[in-house]
Amino acid sequence: AQTVTQSQPEMSVQEAETVTLSCTYDTSENNYYLFWYKQPPSRQMILVIRQEAYKQQNATENRFSVNFQKAAKSFSLKISDSQLGDTAMYFCAFMKEDDKIIFGKGTRLHILP
Amino acid sequence: NAGVTQTPKFRILKIGQSMTLQCAQDMNHNYMYWYRQDPGMGLKLIYYSVGAGITDKGEVPNGYNVSRSTTEDFPLRLELAAPSQTSVYFCATELAGLSEQFFGPGTRLTVL
Repeated sequence: AQTVTQSQPEMSVQEAETVTLSCTYDTSENNYYLFWYKQPPSRQMILVIRQEAYKQQNATENRFSVNFQKAAKSFSLKISDSQLGDTAMYFCAFMKEDDKIIFGKGTRLHILP
Repeated sequence: NAGVTQTPKFRILKIGQSMTLQCAQDMNHNYMYWYRQDPGMGLKLIYYSVGAGITDKGEVPNGYNVSRSTTEDFPLRLELAAPSQTSVYFCATELAGLSEQFFGPGTRLTVL
């Protein structure tokens, strides 16, 4: 069975710093998708970034980028120039080709002024 | 467009009561999902549907039922509420082939 592990339950960084959130997953599939979702206090689930496993190039969305290491089954999220609005829970997620998503337990990120 | 809407936003139930959580979408997405999120945890899949008339169990289906009579609506039914069903429930949709799910705002349910 597929699993997603986020080893950092909680992190705090100063505003404007760079922070990296870790995620590892376990699968025997070759084709899949990986996501980072942000959940602010409003509870809304917001897609931050996605990565297709067949793509070697790491995905980037403005200040958010990933380090995708397929052989190591690692998918970390880097937030550059962190802002107060980045304070949220961040969930790493894995989607198989059957479109079912498996979520990690999340990392609570605090951006400190 | 409203996207994915969920009603109610909050609800308190007594043990043994029943209720239906509503989910509606106007994006014409064929796939729909129900998740629950327990405190401090990620989301777990309860049920999903790949189209009208088709539903399937997810990881944690016990205590729930669903139906999908139209593309737009995917209600989740709790027949005999139990304290273990206290959670936040999210509905999500996906257009087949895009591999990206869009989430509703969630329903916070408390069973006392």
